[in-house]
Amino acid sequence: NAGVTQTPKFQVLKTGQSMTLQCAQDMNHEYMSWYRQDPGMGLRLIHYSVGAGITDQGEVPNGYNVSRSTTEDFPLRLLSAAPSQTSVYFCASSYRAVGATSTDTQYFGPGTRLTVL
Amino acid sequence: SQQGEEDPQALSIQEGENATMNCSYKTSINNLQWYRQNSGRGLVHLILIRSNEREKHSGRLRVTLDTSKKSSSLLITASRAADTASYFCATASIYNQGGKLIFGQGTELSVKP
Repeated sequence: NAGVTQTPKFQVLKTGQSMTLQCAQDMNHEYMSWYRQDPGMGLRLIHYSVGAGITDQGEVPNGYNVSRSTTEDFPLRLLSAAPSQTSVYFCASSYRAVGATSTDTQYFGPGTRLTVL
Repeated sequence: SQQGEEDPQALSIQEGENATMNCSYKTSINNLQWYRQNSGRGLVHLILIRSNEREKHSGRLRVTLDTSKKSSSLLITASRAADTASYFCATASIYNQGGKLIFGQGTELSVKP
């Protein structure tokens, strides 16, 4: 199994450009999520999905869109990039949702380092 | 707002010493997890402790949980240079049926050979 894969590894955008960060997992996990990591801020949840066709917002969803058409893929779209979106983005997945009835841990991808000029 | 807050923010020790990191959180949880991140890499799960557990061990790792104080600690015994990394606690709140994990800001551990 490849686990959780993310592409690209690095990306530089100009303000106002749009792009899609790709995330895929081959473990048949129901739950997938996107985080951003900024210095001194830890990881903050952007969006998450508990299954194909179902998505919801996390702590910092503004400026990002997601969709989940298949179990395997969970792309993150930046609609109009801003310098404040410069960050490292991590995709994660787990077999089931991490919640009151589950103790599943999350598997993280290697990250995408995004710079917005 | 962040669910977990970690202390200290940075810790520097010598190889062979023990390292202790603390995590505090705000709301009732279902479980608390610790993750490790090597520089420039993704996070790797270390250990999970349920809300009805008080202590858990995994190799050189020992995690404690005090739900009355809403705090947890991670102890790494006999540290090695390879333990140098950032360590994050993450909580699964009982109120988040959607399954969100909320991460703390992390403790940066440096183990000097």
